[in-house]
Amino acid sequence: GAVVSQHPSRVICKSGTSVKIECRSLDFQATTMFWYRQFPKQSLMLMATSNEGSKATYEQGVEKDKFLINHASLTLSTLTVTSAHPEDSSFYICRAIAGGGNEQFFGPGTRLTVL
Amino acid sequence: SQELEQSPQSLIVQEGKNLTINCTSSKTLYGLYWYKQKYGEGLIFLMMLQKGGEEKSHEKITAKLDEKKQQSSLHITASQPSHAGIYLCGAALTGTASKLTFGTGTRLQVTL
Repeated sequence: GAVVSQHPSRVICKSGTSVKIECRSLDFQATTMFWYRQFPKQSLMLMATSNEGSKATYEQGVEKDKFLINHASLTLSTLTVTSAHPEDSSFYICRAIAGGGNEQFFGPGTRLTVL
Repeated sequence: SQELEQSPQSLIVQEGKNLTINCTSSKTLYGLYWYKQKYGEGLIFLMMLQKGGEEKSHEKITAKLDEKKQQSSLHITASQPSHAGIYLCGAALTGTASKLTFGTGTRLQVTL
């Protein structure tokens, strides 16, 4: 079946640095990808919707200048956490939509720890 | 307030017992997905329901969507330790079927 990968799976960085997380659809073209974050013992919160070739749509309360999303191709979307702070430490998961939208696949997630 | 409420928030059951997790919305659910997650890992797709009254089963797990399409239940029969994890319901609450909102999650522990 279709696979979505995320890289890196884990990252530890110092406060103030930027971190880029990649989400790739390995055997299908994803016109839309969604980015979620999940705090410990909490549910997934949608951060933004990423459409190939256009600007991402951010959910209310998500800073677009802090969480930069680029969907440059049909198989790759990136989330960059700029000037990361400890409160940005979280589990980030992407979800890719294939075909007419009925098929959707989650990435394995990226655990970000900001020291 | 949360658009999708799950109950219970956590559950501890003895191996072999049955259990039910509920997912409720005040809005129509255009598509309802059930996932299982081990903490800190990705989501495992379980089932998807779209039609009011629909019911699907896979192994010992059965999911139902009510006729009004505002509530879904996930039922596990004869629970096993392998069923332990976090169960999340996700639903399309608008006409955009691909945009999912997730429930609050139910943490399931199965004791021996």
